[in-house]
Amino acid sequence: NAGVTQTPKFQVLKTGQSMTLQCAQDMNHEYMSWYRQDPGMGLRLIHYSVGAGITDQGEVPNGYNVSRSTTEDFPLRLLSAAPSQTSVYFCASRRGVLYEQYFGPGTRLTVT
Amino acid sequence: AQRVTQPEKLLSVFKGAPVELKCNYSYSGSPELFWYVQYSRQRLQLLLRHISRESIKGFTADLNKGETSFHLKKPFAQEEDSAMYYCALATGNQFYFGTGTSLTVIP
Repeated sequence: NAGVTQTPKFQVLKTGQSMTLQCAQDMNHEYMSWYRQDPGMGLRLIHYSVGAGITDQGEVPNGYNVSRSTTEDFPLRLLSAAPSQTSVYFCASRRGVLYEQYFGPGTRLTVT
Repeated sequence: AQRVTQPEKLLSVFKGAPVELKCNYSYSGSPELFWYVQYSRQRLQLLLRHISRESIKGFTADLNKGETSFHLKKPFAQEEDSAMYYCALATGNQFYFGTGTSLTVIP
């Protein structure tokens, strides 16, 4: 039982490049979320999903896309990277609405 | 609108001293509140949630609906408590995190 896994751990992009951050969970959780963590800002919700085929925007969705084709996977796509997207990205999953969240180890992204 | 406020970015206490990390929330419904902790180079993990009323690693948190607060307390801080602490509010499908408090316990 690996819990929530994220790849890659580190990534450096140039402005304008695109990439996908991978997230997978093996706990059969319906709810999955993507957060970014910035100094002094805490964690801010980017996108979330309440089940396969269902996604919605969080607090800071601009510049990011998501899809949820399976229960296990919830990739986050950066369409055209910008320096403002330099951050640490965390994926999380939970069983249901008011259950605790389980977090992945994070992806540190730098956009130059 | 800021739903979770943690007024202290940094907090330092001496080992053995009591510690209180403040959290205030804004929500008109019945709140579901959590404290998460992030130790150095580790992922975020749940410390406690108000509905379970547990004491984890000596920490407790009481929900005060009148003051809309969910402060985290420990009577005697330990060096291993040094970490980043986040208060979080679950409403419907979304989680709202505070900006976090970095706790340093001085030996």
